[in-house]
Amino acid sequence: KAGVTQTPRYLIKTRGQQVTLSCSPISGHRSVSWYQQTPGQGLQFLFEYFSETQRNKGNFPGRFSGRQFSNSRSEMNVSTLELGDSALYLCASSFTGQSTDTQYFGPGTRLTVL
Amino acid sequence: QKEVEQDPGPLSVPEGAIVSLNCTYSNSAFQYFMWYRQYSRKGPELLMYTYSSGNKEDGRFTAQVDKSSKYISLFIRDSQPSDSATYLCAMSGKSGGSNYKLTFGKGTLLTVNP
Repeated sequence: KAGVTQTPRYLIKTRGQQVTLSCSPISGHRSVSWYQQTPGQGLQFLFEYFSETQRNKGNFPGRFSGRQFSNSRSEMNVSTLELGDSALYLCASSFTGQSTDTQYFGPGTRLTVL
Repeated sequence: QKEVEQDPGPLSVPEGAIVSLNCTYSNSAFQYFMWYRQYSRKGPELLMYTYSSGNKEDGRFTAQVDKSSKYISLFIRDSQPSDSATYLCAMSGKSGGSNYKLTFGKGTLLTVNP
């Protein structure tokens, strides 16, 4: 079965712009999580959605937001981009999002902010 | 103190060597422990998942959890060049803020030389 897909794979933006990233989970998975990966901080949790509801949020500023649609697809948005937002943004999906559930990661979207 | 500490390496070993990768953690709420492998330009893929203290073996891989010491390990036997990747430990809890998300170590870059 198809894995987690993320679009676009690469993105270049300038400071002050906004960006929207998309994630399509594995069929049947209702939980989608987003992570930011940088060389300095590693993988950091952004937020998790289940059935269109945000259940958990990491320590990121309000410029980072997300949403989930009724088909479980998810988008994350970053407004007023800063240089420090350059990172690999990873999406993971699972059936329920519970700690006992395996999370499957997509290939990520590489965002470069100039 | 970060919740999860992992030596970033890099670690370079000859083919056939036994590799030991480790993480320590401080949050007693963590109940579930995972090891992910991430190849360059790819998303993390789950290698091992453990819940209780003790050992779990899967082929050449053994995961070890010591909850009393808050210490987890991954051993790779008969390492191969194809094992060259970044290895990430990850943890999650049963409830509260540590549920619905994974907390990662920064990852250890492993190179297995032919």
